[in-house]
Amino acid sequence: AQSVTQLDSHVSVSEGTPVLLRCNYSSSYSPSLFWYVQHPNKGLQLLLKYTSAATLVKGINGFEAEFKKSETSFHLTKPSAHMSDAAEYFCVVSDQPSGTYKYIFGTGTRLKVLA
Amino acid sequence: DTGVSQDPRHKITKRGQNVTFRCDPISEHNRLYWYRQTLGQGPEFLTYFQNEAQLEKSRLLSDRFSAERPKGSFSTLEIQRTEQGDSAMYLCASTVAGSNEKLFFGSGTQLSVL
Repeated sequence: AQSVTQLDSHVSVSEGTPVLLRCNYSSSYSPSLFWYVQHPNKGLQLLLKYTSAATLVKGINGFEAEFKKSETSFHLTKPSAHMSDAAEYFCVVSDQPSGTYKYIFGTGTRLKVLA
Repeated sequence: DTGVSQDPRHKITKRGQNVTFRCDPISEHNRLYWYRQTLGQGPEFLTYFQNEAQLEKSRLLSDRFSAERPKGSFSTLEIQRTEQGDSAMYLCASTVAGSNEKLFFGSGTQLSVL
């Protein structure tokens, strides 16, 4: 069965420093992986998705993620944090070759950006 | 494209009452999902439809929960005999059937069971 594990429930960084949000996945097939962001009192928004093309995926707002099959990881990074990046981030796996079209969310990582 | 619309935004009910939520997906989207999110947790999959067919339902979902999408457009989620543990944000999302398409989410219905 497919699943994702977000290794940190909270991450704090200073403005202008790099961001690393960690995600490991479990999947029986070649998964599709996504990162979504949820700002306070706002809806969920897609940051980026991986679908077996390039292993380094670029998303919106300067975020990117690298798919590493050997490590079953899909960590989200950004070179320089901005105050507006403070939000909840969710790693998501979809195991569609298995015949299901469910999207399974991780428990989330709350990113705090310090001035 | 008016986005995914959910109604109501908030619902307060007493334990034991039935509640129904509505979701209107983006018009050309044929796949529709329901999720539940509690504070500090990620969205939990409940069920999804392709057109009017309900293709999968979470095994963890109580039989007090039922969802419909009668004409393959809007969907309703009903919770019968609500319990305090049902208090959560109920999210609807839609997408175009295909491989690995992104989900478009509504703003959700916040349910509080007293």
